[in-house]
Amino acid sequence: QSALTQPASVSGSPGQSITISCTGTSSDVGLYNLVSWYQQHPGRAPKLLIYDVTNRPSGVSNRFSGSKSGTTASLTISGLQAEDEADYYCNSYTSSSTRVFGGGTRLTVL
Amino acid sequence: EVQLLESGGGLVQPGGSLRLSCAASGFTFSSCGMMWVRQAPGKGLDWVSGISGSGGTTYYADSVKGRFTISRDNSKNTLFLQMNSLRADDTAVYYCLCVSVTAGGQGTLVTVSS
Repeated sequence: QSALTQPASVSGSPGQSITISCTGTSSDVGLYNLVSWYQQHPGRAPKLLIYDVTNRPSGVSNRFSGSKSGTTASLTISGLQAEDEADYYCNSYTSSSTRVFGGGTRLTVL
Repeated sequence: EVQLLESGGGLVQPGGSLRLSCAASGFTFSSCGMMWVRQAPGKGLDWVSGISGSGGTTYYADSVKGRFTISRDNSKNTLFLQMNSLRADDTAVYYCLCVSVTAGGQGTLVTVSS
């Protein structure tokens, strides 16, 4: 199973909105509404931000939102804050009954 | 507080075995599909294995199928990963995650080396 495709890096200024894309195939992102997004700060465990494409777990800020169109899922962060600077990973269930991660996106807050 | 606490990592020789544990607290563990993911030094996240809330369904990455076994004890709110026939490329920090709850842990380091 090939990894999902994410941009290596994105950047934005405080207060702005940014979107991170996650492109898969018709065997994973395009087939199931089972895409998750994780945030990881250096040296820390990954933190679940979004599951099942659009659902936000309890305790996660509503500045984080998810969507999907075809074989591409997206994570949008609004009102960018310095603390949002981290690595972001998407993850999808696949037709092989496995899950696959994207390569990760480094977000820099300018 | 929602928490996941991984343990059981260490240094093991190629071909050896380890059993990882993940103690969950602060949420309804039996309602959570769980998974193990790993991260080699300086690399991205790599999905290893998953298990349904009841424990009746399990899933494995091709790279670990036949060598690793995931299980859970809902009476003790604990997730396990039995790792056999370990290889150098299994070296990583291993994290347990719930698919629908934000829960923090610190991971456990597995080093496979002679």
